[in-house]
Amino acid sequence: AQKVTQAQTEISVVEKEDVTLDCVYETRDTTYYLFWYKQPPSGELVFLIRRNSFDEQNEISGRYSWNFQKSTSSFNFTITASQVVDSAVYFCAPNSGGYQKVTFGIGTKLQVIP
Amino acid sequence: DGGITQSPKYLFRKEGQNVTLSCEQNLNHDAMYWYRQDPGQGLRLIYYSQIVNDFQKGDIAEGYSVSREKKESFPLTVTSAQKNPTAFYLCASSPRGFNSPLHFGNGTRLTVT
Repeated sequence: AQKVTQAQTEISVVEKEDVTLDCVYETRDTTYYLFWYKQPPSGELVFLIRRNSFDEQNEISGRYSWNFQKSTSSFNFTITASQVVDSAVYFCAPNSGGYQKVTFGIGTKLQVIP
Repeated sequence: DGGITQSPKYLFRKEGQNVTLSCEQNLNHDAMYWYRQDPGQGLRLIYYSQIVNDFQKGDIAEGYSVSREKKESFPLTVTSAQKNPTAFYLCASSPRGFNSPLHFGNGTRLTVT
């Protein structure tokens, strides 16, 4: 069985602080992809970043950075210099199925205080 | 602009009535999905479809039905058998391949009283 854990249910930071969102994916599959999505108050989920299970290098794109550690099944996502517009619910969503079945974590609600 | 359209945004129904939620995409994606979102429970998969005229049950399919007669359309019917239908419903689509991210619509908030 696969299990996605987002242990942080809510996080509050002051604007310009860095914030890291945690996700742990437990699976016996050796090949999978991990995705992060953002859901602003408007409701629509937006794809942010993707990482495959073979690559453990850190990546950076603008204010976003992420890393994956296979030994601990951790897929962490960091927002640098947070802004009020970053306030949203963030979902970790692994996909290890060849049949396109995606599993979502329960989400982490991020509040950035001005 | 390409995207996914869900309609209506808000829907109100009386208990015991069936209701159909619309989902249309013009992204030429093969796969389409329906998710249900409740507070504190994240997204749960109701049904998904990889190709036209084929669909599979997700984790919480009881009380729901779908059809996939056209590649662009994947309507969801919430039947009277669904015990707790009030929720936020999200439709998504993606190209083939499990390395492809999902593209979501704006959602439909269904309230049944």
